Amino acid sequence: KNQVEQSPQSLIILEGKNCTLQCNYTVSPFSNLRWYKQDTGRGPVSLTIMTFSENTKSNGRYTATLDADTKQSSLHITASQLSDSASYICVVITSGGSYIPTFGRGTSLIVHP
Amino acid sequence: EAGVTQSPTHLIKTRGQQATLRCSPISGHTSVYWYQQALGLGLQFLLWYDEGEERNRGNFPPRFSGRQFPNYSSELNVNALELEDSALYLCASSLETNTGKDTQYFGPGTRLTVL
Repeated sequence: KNQVEQSPQSLIILEGKNCTLQCNYTVSPFSNLRWYKQDTGRGPVSLTIMTFSENTKSNGRYTATLDADTKQSSLHITASQLSDSASYICVVITSGGSYIPTFGRGTSLIVHP
Repeated sequence: EAGVTQSPTHLIKTRGQQATLRCSPISGHTSVYWYQQALGLGLQFLLWYDEGEERNRGNFPPRFSGRQFPNYSSELNVNALELEDSALYLCASSLETNTGKDTQYFGPGTRLTVL
């Protein structure tokens, strides 16, 4: 069964600190992995999309890594800001000619001043 | 450029009724995706439409259906509403290039409450 597990479930950090969120998956066959940021009451916003051959992708202060061999991804947030408080969702897309996503439950990040 | 829009913002129905949710994609986008986000659960994929055709659907019963119009807008219909259908319904759009790798842009969602 295709699964995406995210950890930690929730995280509290101080403004200015770095943090790393984890995503482990058992989805097969693999097409791409996406990280989204979802503010409370809003729709998700795409942060990164990585294919099998991509190890690292950055979007401003957000850097995602992918290890296709161990089926693990991480999202690193540098110099956190209050606006980074949100839910971060990992999604793995199955290949095979159609769009079949498997979502993680998300990590809830709270950044305190 | 206008983003993805959804209507209504909130919808309250009673069990057994039907709900219709609407989505307008970003101009130029041909693909529309529907998702359900129930409280305490992650996002779940409902339906994918492209060029007016249903391309794929998630693991939901047939009472969840929809369509895409010639202008690429879309509606989601939920028949015979059940209490557990209460959720945030999100619509996303993308430029579909058959790669499955296009960025999806989400709307603000419709909050459906079933009493």
